[in-house]
Amino acid sequence: SAVISQKPSRDICQRGTSLTIQCQVDSQVTMMFWYRQQPGQSLTLIATANQGSEATYESGFVIDKFPISRPNLTFSTLTVSNMSPEDSSIYLCSVFPGQGRGYTFGSGTRLTVV
Amino acid sequence: RKEVEQDPGPFNVPEGATVAFNCTYSNSASQSFFWYRQDCRKEPKLLMSVYSSGNEDGRFTAQLNRASQYISLLIRDSKLSDSATYLCVVNLNNFNKFYFGSGTKLNVKP
Repeated sequence: SAVISQKPSRDICQRGTSLTIQCQVDSQVTMMFWYRQQPGQSLTLIATANQGSEATYESGFVIDKFPISRPNLTFSTLTVSNMSPEDSSIYLCSVFPGQGRGYTFGSGTRLTVV
Repeated sequence: RKEVEQDPGPFNVPEGATVAFNCTYSNSASQSFFWYRQDCRKEPKLLMSVYSSGNEDGRFTAQLNRASQYISLLIRDSKLSDSATYLCVVNLNNFNKFYFGSGTKLNVKP
């Protein structure tokens, strides 16, 4: 299965600032996915990052708040912009190895906004 | 109604016990089913896929009941290391639409 390197693993940020999270995959993948997991909650899909086109955002998430880059088939970034304490969460990138198989996740970024 | 529902638990069981979790899903068009394990402060990791015929991997058995729209996970001879949150994941016939349950917490005690 794919190996994903995600960084930073954690950060504490001031409100109003932005943080960019990076994910590097050891193989080429068509789609990469960004999830958020708030404390005590399950995973919520933020957006799907497609190489060569704009990301597709889920309801409740907008590009201005969570801009995504996907410059090639092995890399993606998610930026959490103009952060507030409500953005404190774990952010996870993931890839889908193939039909009928589950996701593989990066190790996550634990974000605390103060 | 949520796409995927799980009992949050916690399930507190002694070592060696057998424990089972169920997960219900709302969309009958769901195609693929998975159980993930998530340890505290870690990312979810795939435990096993769930096949229509049911499948077993060591102490773990997964079953799918399409008629009643639920999947189950059975853990036999529980180990302390089985303590984790178990996430039920369902995929519609669109490979980028995965729905996660909120997880069932298992505590295995000595």
